[in-house]
Amino acid sequence: DAGVIQSPRHEVTEMGQEVTLRCKPISGHNSLFWYRQTMMRGLELLIYFNNNVPIDDSGMPEDRFSAKMPNASFSTLKIQPSEPRDSAVYFCASKKQGTGTEAFFGQGTRLTVV
Amino acid sequence: AQKVTQAQTEISVVEKEDVTLDCVYETRDTTYYLFWYKQPPSGELVFLIRRNSFDEQNEISGRYSWNFQKSTSSFNFTITASQVVDSAVYFCALSEARGSGNTGKLIFGQGTTLQVKP
Repeated sequence: DAGVIQSPRHEVTEMGQEVTLRCKPISGHNSLFWYRQTMMRGLELLIYFNNNVPIDDSGMPEDRFSAKMPNASFSTLKIQPSEPRDSAVYFCASKKQGTGTEAFFGQGTRLTVV
Repeated sequence: AQKVTQAQTEISVVEKEDVTLDCVYETRDTTYYLFWYKQPPSGELVFLIRRNSFDEQNEISGRYSWNFQKSTSSFNFTITASQVVDSAVYFCALSEARGSGNTGKLIFGQGTTLQVKP
């Protein structure tokens, strides 16, 4: 089975540009999570979806960040406009909702905003 | 509020030594889940173990073992006879329970960087 697939793996963009990160969860998983990893703040949850519906977006840092899940097999995290402090590794993870199982993570997208 | 503390920022050992990574958690929930993930130098997050709060049995998987002590809110991880390939950042995480499972919403500790020298 394919794992969680994220694209791109690396993204370098200039301040002010729009950035879109993409995620394909594991087939059959109906919970999807976006995390951000930085040296200062560690791993923190940004938002998660159950059955394509956002459940908790309290971790989204500000209005420049938005996430969508138009269907069960695709999600995007968009930053507009991007700032240097957004530089981080962004992870997507998925699991089966309502089970005691663990979440599986994608390889991450390393974002650098210059 | 839920919190996970990994007090050891970095640990360095020589190959074949045993090493224990500490994890202390805080939660007001009576039911919860605990996890360990490994992040090797390549950067991905690899699941190692899951434990729910009702199951205090210790677990052993090859050279890895986990000690869950509800009385001290700890979930420590021991690597026996460490190897260079064990070098990585290890994260302990907590998830709230929901229904018969967990939400999957993870509260991570700050991680412990383990360096195993040959």
